[in-house]
Amino acid sequence: GQQVMQIPQYQHVQEGEDFTTYCNSSTTLSNIQWYKQRPGGHPVFLIQLVKSGEVKKQKRLTFQFGEAKKNSSLHITATQTTDVGTYFCAGREVGTASKLTFGTGTRLQVTL
Amino acid sequence: KAGVTQTPRYLIKTRGQQVTLSCSPISGHRSVSWYQQTPGQGLQFLFEYFSETQRNKGNFPGRFSGRQFSNSRSEMNVSTLELGDSALYLCASSMGPPTEAFFGQGTRLTVV
Repeated sequence: GQQVMQIPQYQHVQEGEDFTTYCNSSTTLSNIQWYKQRPGGHPVFLIQLVKSGEVKKQKRLTFQFGEAKKNSSLHITATQTTDVGTYFCAGREVGTASKLTFGTGTRLQVTL
Repeated sequence: KAGVTQTPRYLIKTRGQQVTLSCSPISGHRSVSWYQQTPGQGLQFLFEYFSETQRNKGNFPGRFSGRQFSNSRSEMNVSTLELGDSALYLCASSMGPPTEAFFGQGTRLTVV
């Protein structure tokens, strides 16, 4: 079945450093979404990418969808302590729109 | 408007028992998905319901079942509980793919 892997599993940065998490799917995706889960919380939707090669920005966050629609990345510029949490990508395999498969997640820790 | 509501928030059960978890989606949302979250396995897709029909199912044993009512509220049931079923069970509602999913706070199930 479809697998969605993320690397790294964990990253610890100092405030102000940049951070990137990479998401790779074993199958072609119709779209990809990103979620953030704070410690003790539930996943919260960040963004959705649909088109091949699409790039979207939200303030310090930049999201990319690969040309082959099998990979994606999230880059955070100048991290802040409020960025702490686990970032998940989630994709829908082409032809199985009702199933949203989550990636393994990247836990980000930010210290002063 | 009110978010996704899951009840109960916490539950302790004994091996061999069964449990029913409830999810009330955001008003107007017809799609409800269930996920199991554990530290080792991340967010695993259980099933998705849309207008009372199960449209997709993850790779879980038949002990895991669910249903959706005409008002879109959903329940999931786990029978013959095992220690390994201890997890955070998250429900997410949406208007339907490919829109974003809104998660509830989850039900923390502990099997002893």
